[in-house]
Amino acid sequence: DAKTTQPNSMESNEEEPVHLPCNHSTISGTDYIHWYRQLPSQGPEYVIHGLTSNVNNRMASLAIAEDRKSSTLILHRATLRDAAVYYCILREWGSGTYKYIFGTGTRLKVLA
Amino acid sequence: EAGVTQSPTHLIKTRGQQATLRCSPISGHTSVYWYQQALGLGLQFLLWYDEGEERNRGNFPPRFSGRQFPNYSSELNVNALELEDSALYLCASSWGQGEQFFGPGTRLTVL
Repeated sequence: DAKTTQPNSMESNEEEPVHLPCNHSTISGTDYIHWYRQLPSQGPEYVIHGLTSNVNNRMASLAIAEDRKSSTLILHRATLRDAAVYYCILREWGSGTYKYIFGTGTRLKVLA
Repeated sequence: EAGVTQSPTHLIKTRGQQATLRCSPISGHTSVYWYQQALGLGLQFLLWYDEGEERNRGNFPPRFSGRQFPNYSSELNVNALELEDSALYLCASSWGQGEQFFGPGTRLTVL
């Protein structure tokens, strides 16, 4: 199985950009990179996903390294509501089916 | 539009008993996923059902099983409960392989 590695925790000041890294050195060519976040006492929610090209949506941007062995989730202006655990996930294809490999997550603390 | 719902919210069992957890997906979603989140840990993929069939399972023993009904709702069964099974069990649904929408979870406590 592919694996993802994320820092356990990060801090950011409010209104500043945040770059959350994820290493996935064993990723294969067909694995999608997904990011979800889990707010306190809630189930995870989708943030963004991509395969090879950088992606932008209203919540965040996803920068994928050229060799795809790492990616970075970018929150352009952190707010207090962005304090959550951010999971980098690989959607892995193998044996004729998909499997989702969750990382351990990065706990983001946003300082007012 | 109603989100993913799970029942019960909390469940307390003793070792050796069986637990049944239920999940209703968002209307129109055909895929249901189950995850285990032990206290302080990340999510571990358990099971994936699509169109009534089990499509994949994570690295869990066979006493973790489930099914998906014709209306796409799903049930997770955990037999011969062990203390280590205490966790938050999350259900998610999706249409095809799209974004997963998660429910609030069922907190299972095994005494």
